Amino acid sequence: DAGVIQSPRHEVTEMGQEVTLRCKPISGHDYLFWYRQTMMRGLELLIYFNNNVPIDDSGMPEDRFSAKMPNASFSTLKIQPSEPRDSAVYFCASSLIAGGRSGANVLTFGAGSRLTVL
Amino acid sequence: AQSVAQPEDQVNVAEGNPLTVKCTYSVSGNPYLFWYVQYPNRGLQFLLKYITGDNLVKGSYGFEAEFNKSQTSFHLKKPSALVSDSALYFCAVRDIGSSASKIIFGSGTRLSIRP
Repeated sequence: DAGVIQSPRHEVTEMGQEVTLRCKPISGHDYLFWYRQTMMRGLELLIYFNNNVPIDDSGMPEDRFSAKMPNASFSTLKIQPSEPRDSAVYFCASSLIAGGRSGANVLTFGAGSRLTVL
Repeated sequence: AQSVAQPEDQVNVAEGNPLTVKCTYSVSGNPYLFWYVQYPNRGLQFLLKYITGDNLVKGSYGFEAEFNKSQTSFHLKKPSALVSDSALYFCAVRDIGSSASKIIFGSGTRLSIRP
């Protein structure tokens, strides 16, 4: 398996533009998490899905942020409109949460999408 | 609500010396605990986890961690540090006492190993 794949790796955009970040989780994983990493706030959980259904979006900072998972192999995180304070590295991670398997509960992270909003 | 704290922003150790990176947690039920490492411009990589059983957990690259329920701690240790261990280390917790499956990370500790 190629691991968790995120795109784009780098995005530079201007304030007010729409940004869409994409994630392909590991096949067979039943949970998908979106995290945001900044120097000031560390690694924040934004939202997570179980079997494509959003479970907890309490970490999504504002209505400008939205996330979808239309099928088991694809998720998007959208920011509209973007602001300079949204500049961060956004990570997608997937996992098998169910117990009994050796890899259960272990998150596999993508390489991240570095967003810069000017 | 679950939380995890890493009280040290940075830990500096000489190569060959033992290292400890501290982590404490708070959960309503029982915890699953994890350590991850992040190298520059990379995603986080799994090091080790505590789910149940032996309180001393061994993981990748010679790292180990000890679960201490009374002190609600899960400190990361290595007997002899290598320069290549220099990286950002994150502790994480999942509260299995709740119905949620969220995994929360600490603020991270930068480990610097000097030759």
